[in-house]
Amino acid sequence: EPEVTQTPSHQVTQMGQEVILRCVPISNHLYFYWYRQILGQKVEFLVSFYNNEISEKSEIFDDQFSVERPDGSNFTLKIRSTKLEDSAMYFCASSELVGGAVEQFFGPGTRLTVL
Amino acid sequence: AQSVTQLGSHVSVSEGALVLLRCNYSSSVPPYLFWYVQYPNQGLQLLLKYTSAATLVKGINGFEAEFKKSETSFHLTKPSAHMSDAAEYFCAVRVGNFNKFYFGSGTKLNVKP
Repeated sequence: EPEVTQTPSHQVTQMGQEVILRCVPISNHLYFYWYRQILGQKVEFLVSFYNNEISEKSEIFDDQFSVERPDGSNFTLKIRSTKLEDSAMYFCASSELVGGAVEQFFGPGTRLTVL
Repeated sequence: AQSVTQLGSHVSVSEGALVLLRCNYSSSVPPYLFWYVQYPNQGLQLLLKYTSAATLVKGINGFEAEFKKSETSFHLTKPSAHMSDAAEYFCAVRVGNFNKFYFGSGTKLNVKP
C-alpha cells in the first residue's frame, strides 16, 4: 500500500542552525502539507503546497520556514535558523484531491530537537 | 473559528470493554470530521470520516463514530477493546474551502489485559 515517508526520523540540531526535513509523498498525489506537534500540544497546520506554490500557510509559517519540491518525488521543509521553540514532531501529508471529506495521508513524522 | 477539543488525554480500558473517545468541534459551517490513529513510530492512519451522508459512520478495526450536530460532537466508540487498539487517537475537522485540518490534542488509549 502506498505511504508517505519522512527522513530522518529524528533530527538533533543546535539553535541557529538550518535544518531540512524530507518527505516523499504518495506518487500520484498533487497536494502536500506540513504539520507540527509540539510535545503535549495539538497537531498544527503549517503550510499546504500545490503546483509548485504555497496555497495556504498559517501564522506559524514565517520567513524562517520554506518549502520546496526539488524534484518529482521529494517535498522538503527548511527551517533557516532554528529556535528552541521549533522542537516538535513534524508531519508531512499528501492528498490526491482537496475539498470535502478528502483524506490526507500522513507520514510517520520527524522529531526535531533543537538544543 | 474552527477548533476541536478532545476530552481526556489518556483513557484506560480493560480488554473487552467499551471504548469511548470524545471529540467536540466548533465550526460556523458544516464540518468534515475525521478520526486518525497513530501507532508507535507510524504515521497518522485514517480510521473513519464524516461526509454528511450518514450520521453514524463505521470505520476500520470495528470503530464507529456518530455525528451529533446538536451536541457538536463526533465521539469514537468500539464495543469491545482489543490489546492492539492501544494507540493515540486524533480527531480532526476540515471546513469550507480550506484544505488544512484542525486537530484535537489527541487521546492515548491504554488497554489493560
